[in-house]
Amino acid sequence: EIVMTQSPVTLSVSPGERATLSCRASQSVSNNLAWYQQNPGQAPRLLIYGVSVRATGIPARFSGSGSGTEFTLTISSLQSEDFAVYYCQQYNNWPLTFGGGTKVEIK
Amino acid sequence: EVQLVESGGGLVKPGGSLRLSCAASGFTFSSYMMNWVRQAPGKGLEWVSFIGTSSSYIYYADSVKGRFTISRDNAKDSLYLQMNSLRAEDTAIYYCARDRSLRGGYSYGYDYWGQGTLVTVSP
Repeated sequence: EIVMTQSPVTLSVSPGERATLSCRASQSVSNNLAWYQQNPGQAPRLLIYGVSVRATGIPARFSGSGSGTEFTLTISSLQSEDFAVYYCQQYNNWPLTFGGGTKVEIK
Repeated sequence: EVQLVESGGGLVKPGGSLRLSCAASGFTFSSYMMNWVRQAPGKGLEWVSFIGTSSSYIYYADSVKGRFTISRDNAKDSLYLQMNSLRAEDTAIYYCARDRSLRGGYSYGYDYWGQGTLVTVSP
């Protein structure tokens, strides 16, 4: 099983600032990596797939990068609705696995 | 508009059974692979099971293999999860999620999610 490790667990950022979230895979997942956002009490929402492709309707302030085992989600200028929990997921190998999540909170 | 609506959750005793349903609308259900994903209270996401368009491909997480059965009825635009021998650690919100993949047996992440149904396993 591929283990996905996200860091940090919690990220405190001021509105308008940049946030950088990391995700590491225990072995290569090629470019089969997605990011999801989850607000409290809501279902997750797909943000990014294929490492860097924004899903339909996702603002350009969200960007993804990386390859192999190291990946990054960047939110260029945090808006109020961006304070949430973010999960990475690999879909290169069964079983599909998620990272433990990064909570982005208001500083 | 794509909609996924789960139902069937509730309180069940350890060792009991429950059947979850997911009603799909707004897209051609038979063309998409589907998944169940769960989230224990205050915890992260865990993939549970995957089913291909014609049920040819079915996969389970080790944690539920042998106890849970995924199925679908394309004529009714519905996805199901039969859960037997339930344990306290199965307590979670269960989401159905549409897969982006159009390639048999492969998953490419989930582009639509339902709002989830809560399953509580407790004496």
